[in-house]
Amino acid sequence: QSVLTQPPSASGTPGQRVTISCSGSTSNIANKAVYWYQCLPGTAPKLLMYVNDIDERASGVPARFSGSRSGASASLAISGLQSEDEADYYCAAWDASLNAVVFGGGTKLTVL
Amino acid sequence: QMQLQESGPGLVKPSETRSLTCSVSHGTLGTSSYYWAWIRQSPGKGPEWIASIHYTGSTYYNPSLESRVTISSDRAKNGFSLTLRALTVADTAVYYCASHSAHYSRGRYLPNWDFDVWGRGALVTVSP
Repeated sequence: QSVLTQPPSASGTPGQRVTISCSGSTSNIANKAVYWYQCLPGTAPKLLMYVNDIDERASGVPARFSGSRSGASASLAISGLQSEDEADYYCAAWDASLNAVVFGGGTKLTVL
Repeated sequence: QMQLQESGPGLVKPSETRSLTCSVSHGTLGTSSYYWAWIRQSPGKGPEWIASIHYTGSTYYNPSLESRVTISSDRAKNGFSLTLRALTVADTAVYYCASHSAHYSRGRYLPNWDFDVWGRGALVTVSP
């Protein structure tokens, strides 16, 4: 059971907007930066962005990826969905109670 | 573009101790700008952060693994290592090395948890 909770799956058709949620607590998301990673099959995770007071995309990440945070929850939004967006997505944050970086269980995004 | 490359033992037996090494190329370990980390991912699970180190010697460990792991760095070799003790089948995973940025605050370098450069990963299988 992950400290950060994500839906196991999400899907959308090309061109659609998809949102992936990440639910945490006051010891992590509510007071710390949230990071989003994309993991394509057989490859290492890739940093997409971090979300604190604002969201900031990593170098080379297109603007159709955006993030937000509200209280102890965070969201990753992908607009203009493309087939190459099909991947596993993970959220992560520092947890002040556990004194560790914690990751969500991941959301498998399928582009129909 | 900085690159990281893991090297590790592959197949090990339960209870053994093994080390993984990460070589840094097109970058230098001795920079104040980065921390260096080990992260693992077991099949079908999310990533699990293990430990991080700064060239100044500052280290951070995941409390769930701290008693069995040691992270160290070697500036002469421009690399860093992870030693895992008392291995069990549950330690079977792909082990990644990664870098994340540091910021200066109150006299020391503190980590940001933005793992931005990753190695390709090294599979460690623990089996009798």
